[in-house]
Amino acid sequence: DSGVTQTPKHLITATGQRVTLRCSPRSGDLSVYWYQQSLDQGLQFLIQYYNGEERAKGNILERFSAQQFPDLHSELNLSSLELGDSALYFCASSVAQGGSYEQYFGPGTRLTVT
Amino acid sequence: QQQVKQSPQSLIVQKGGISIINCAYENTAFDYFPWYQQFPGKGPALLIAIRPDVSEKKEGRFTISFNKSAKQFSLHIMDSQPGDSATYFCAASNLSTSYGKLTFGQGTILTVHP
Repeated sequence: DSGVTQTPKHLITATGQRVTLRCSPRSGDLSVYWYQQSLDQGLQFLIQYYNGEERAKGNILERFSAQQFPDLHSELNLSSLELGDSALYFCASSVAQGGSYEQYFGPGTRLTVT
Repeated sequence: QQQVKQSPQSLIVQKGGISIINCAYENTAFDYFPWYQQFPGKGPALLIAIRPDVSEKKEGRFTISFNKSAKQFSLHIMDSQPGDSATYFCAASNLSTSYGKLTFGQGTILTVHP
């Protein structure tokens, strides 16, 4: 158990809908990273937050957005969903300072868009 | 420039044998190279990581070898066990400019036969 929690575990929704994925980092970790894992694209970095502020952005679609709240939990919002958005979405957390950048991954949310 | 290429895609090893997975990178600014292990239905778990100031790092049965001039690094699993059967991902990051965001290889499915 990495100490990172993600909810829900599974999500099934229809095209055009909007969903919210939630992540709670390990105690003491200030940074949250979101990754998408699909068969064709592998593990892809989406976005990173550090202590409430966006720090780095990867190949994140404009239909996707995220935020990190004062209690450090993070939410990834996916809107206007398409079939191709079906994937595993992982959150990872890290201290991300003082030379300590090890990322610990949560169990993931499996999103199925029908 | 951001790619990390991993090989082989799949690997079958007998119990007690040595498993070797290789990765090559292009971006010379990468300065952090972790390996992750992922079991079906679980999130990636950090196994071992190396910085470019050392050529080898060993933790138990797992060893990373790093060749800076060739821009290659590899994971060696000694005395491979059936419980090691999983998907392994190499990754790379530039800690100073990308705040730890990871670029992953495509993964290697390892099967250890008893």
